[in-house]
Amino acid sequence: DAGVTQSPTHLIKTRGQQVTLRCSPKSGHDTVSWYQQALGQGPQFIFQYYEEEERQRGNFPDRFSGHQFPNYSSELNVNALLLGDSALYLCASSFIGEAFFGQGTRLTVV
Amino acid sequence: QKEVEQDPGPLSVPEGAIVSLNCTYSNSAFQYFMWYRQYSRKGPELLMYTYSSGNKEDGRFTAQVDKSSKYISLFIRDSQPSDSATYLCAMSKRGPGTYKYIFGTGTRLKVLA
Repeated sequence: DAGVTQSPTHLIKTRGQQVTLRCSPKSGHDTVSWYQQALGQGPQFIFQYYEEEERQRGNFPDRFSGHQFPNYSSELNVNALLLGDSALYLCASSFIGEAFFGQGTRLTVV
Repeated sequence: QKEVEQDPGPLSVPEGAIVSLNCTYSNSAFQYFMWYRQYSRKGPELLMYTYSSGNKEDGRFTAQVDKSSKYISLFIRDSQPSDSATYLCAMSKRGPGTYKYIFGTGTRLKVLA
């Protein structure tokens, strides 16, 4: 079992650009959540997808959007990047039970 | 006031010591309590998961939840240098994995050989 996989592992973007991050959930998991972790902070909930729909959303602006595909994989899109969007973006998958996290995508906005 | 408070540390202990890590919270609706370990530049790894109040033990790790005090703890016995990491507490109002987690800021632990 490959666990939760995220791609890419690192990327650098310029302020104002758009970025797409990808997540493949652990086998058998149908729910995907995205979190943003700034340096020295705990992860902050962005949103959760279940059955291809956004089920919950945290306090993040509309610049953050997502999608879940029929195979349960998910994408996180961020438009009009700001310097403050620089963080580790974590994907977590679950099926009724506790959530398991991927290794994250480190996004740097310059 | 943050919903979940956690001392950021760093906490330095000698190898073999018993480590106590703690979180307090303000929202009595939290029912599920998790502890994650996060190595530098890696994703969080689930260590313990507890529902409601009580204790749970797994090897060298013991998790305690006191809902009356809104206080949770993680104890690590016979600590090893490989335990050096950031420990995150997380809480959820409904079934874990089906509802958002609220995390503490994490406590950095360093176990000295």
